[in-house]
Order: sequence, then C-alpha cells, then structure tokens
Amino acid sequence: QVQLQEAGPGLLKPSETLSLTCTVTLDSISGSDHFWGWIRQAPGKGLEWIGSGHKSGAIYYNPSLRSRVTIFVDTSKNQFSLTLTSVSAADSGFYYCTRDLNTAMAPHIIDSWGQGTLVTVSS
Amino acid sequence: SYVLTQPPSVSVDPGQTAKIPCGGNNIESYSVHWYQQKPGQAPVVVVYDDSDRPSGIPERFSGSNSGNTATLTISRVEDGDEADYYCQVWHSTEHQRIFGGGTKLTVL
Repeated sequence: QVQLQEAGPGLLKPSETLSLTCTVTLDSISGSDHFWGWIRQAPGKGLEWIGSGHKSGAIYYNPSLRSRVTIFVDTSKNQFSLTLTSVSAADSGFYYCTRDLNTAMAPHIIDSWGQGTLVTVSS
Repeated sequence: SYVLTQPPSVSVDPGQTAKIPCGGNNIESYSVHWYQQKPGQAPVVVVYDDSDRPSGIPERFSGSNSGNTATLTISRVEDGDEADYYCQVWHSTEHQRIFGGGTKLTVL
C-alpha cells in the first residue's frame, strides 16, 4: 500500500513562498504511470484541487492558482513538490499530497492521500 | 468555468436511503466521482465513473448520472456513513479537476 507523507513549514507570513514536499514510499514514481498532485482544504471548507503532475512532464494546474503555483515531480528522489508564491491568509488550510490514477494522460480518481499538513499564513 | 453544485446538507434516519445530488450543466457527459470525508481524515473515493465501486466499498453505495444531475445513493444508512461527500469531475477541455462544494450527511 503506497504511503505519502507531506513535509514543510506550518507557519508563513503573508507574501512568503510556501514549499511542500511529498515523499512516496512503497511505490516508484519512475516505475508507475500515476499522476501526483496536491489538494488543499481550508478549515471547515471544501476540497480545492491545486494541480497534478506526471513523470513525463505533463502538469495541470487549477486556473485560479496557475500564476502562483509550481509542481515538480522528482523521479530521482521519489518525491514531488509544491511551490506557492505570494501567500496570504486565504492560502491557510490543510494541504494533501495525492496519487491519482491515470486515464489517457489525465488525472482520474485519487486513490491515495497523504495525512495532510496544516499551513497557517499569519503576520 | 464549469461548476458543480451540491446541497450543503442532507439528513436521513438510520436504515433509510440517502440521495446526494450533484448538479452541473450536461453533467451526464462527464465521468463523476464521489469522495467521502470523515472528520479529521483524508477523503476516500466511494464511487467512480458515475456508478463503479472501489473494492472494499459496501454495495450500499451506488451512483447514477443523467441529464444535469449526478446522484450518490446510500441505502440502509448507518451511523458510520455520517460524513462530508464531494462530487468531482475532470474537465478535459480545460484540463481541470473540479469539486462540488460538498454535502454534509447527518444521520438522525
């Protein structure tokens, strides 16, 4: 059973850059055909897709975040990362890394989730 | 952009049937997936591709999709089914994963 573990700072100040890494165990990014993605959830709110990336270089982003987001899939480290620039309080919430099944080179369902990491943006 | 609309809450008595709708323009042309999220936990897919069930999900969970509404149906509802439920589609033209706003299922 694949395991995903998020890592990164829990507290940032407005205008700073959020960097999170997801370490994948019991699966190989280079050996599988999955997409690897990020989803966030503000406390008490719904799910928001941030983006998904594939080892081939194909990456899809939520249009509302595209200008501030970068997802990098690192096959050499079996990790993938999220960078979100110019954060504000609206970016606070739980951030989950995910493994997505692949259908015709597009993310299908999410079959595995990390436990989530809480990010708080506050001055 | 494409929008999926869910009611904020649905209530049902134990043993009865719960129906959670997900509205979207011509949603029947999309494959709809449903996720269950219990408090303090990551979501889990309970129905995918409109009506398929992952292994381990009880047969009580079923889905349908027609016209402008997809529906998650939970038969013989149990206390343990109390959770937030989200519908989701992949918009192939916009290359975007879209979630509904979520529905809180309360078992009375």
